[in-house]
Amino acid sequence: GIQVEQSPPDLILQEGANSTLRCNFSDSVNNLQWFHQNPWGQLINLFYIPSGTKQNGRLSATTVATERYSLLYISSSQTTDSGVYFCAVPPTDMRFGAGTRLTVKP
Amino acid sequence: DVKVTQSSRYLVKRTGEKVFLECVQDMDHENMFWYRQDPGLGLRLIYFSYDVKMKEKGDIPEGYSVSREKKERFSLILESASTNQTSMYLCASSYLYGYTFGSGTRLTVV
Repeated sequence: GIQVEQSPPDLILQEGANSTLRCNFSDSVNNLQWFHQNPWGQLINLFYIPSGTKQNGRLSATTVATERYSLLYISSSQTTDSGVYFCAVPPTDMRFGAGTRLTVKP
Repeated sequence: DVKVTQSSRYLVKRTGEKVFLECVQDMDHENMFWYRQDPGLGLRLIYFSYDVKMKEKGDIPEGYSVSREKKERFSLILESASTNQTSMYLCASSYLYGYTFGSGTRLTVV
C-alpha cells in the first residue's frame, strides 16, 4: 500500500505565527485529505485536495500530485489550532500519516 | 449533515470478555473502516469493508473480527479482550471524496 509520511512530527508555535505542515506519499494518488484531531479526539475534515490549492479562512492546502506531496498552511495561528493534523489517502488505500502534533502557545 | 455514530464514548471491560463496538453511518457509504489510535503510533487500520458482508484485514487484525450485515452498520468484535487492546477506536466511512469519522470509543480493558 501507499506509504504516507508527515513532517514535522511536533511543532510548537507562538500564537500569531505561521506554519507549514508537509505530507509526502509514495505513489500516485487520486485523493488526499487533511484532518485536524481536536483535544477531545474528534477527527474533523479540513480539505479534500487531490491536486491544486484550496483555502478556508486561515488554512490553505496545496497538493502537487506529480511530485507526491501536499502542504497545509496555517496562518496567524490560534490556540484553538492545537491538536494533531493528519493527511490520508482515501478512500481505498486507507493510509494515514503519523500526524503532526501542533501546540500553539498564547 | 452527514454522520457516523459510535455507540459508546467510553467503555471499561474485563480481560477475557467478548466486546462489541458498534458503528452506524447515515450516508449510504459503501466503505467502512475500523482504526485504533495509540500514542505515538497514529491511526492503524484494523479491518475495512467495501460492501455488505465483505471484509478485509487491515494492518493489525489479530484479536479482532468484524461484521457487516447491513450497509449502514459495521461492528468490531474483540473475541477475548486483553489489556493490550486498551485504546481509542475510531470508525469511519467513505465514498468518493474522503472519510467521515465517528467520535471514537475509548476502551479500557482491566
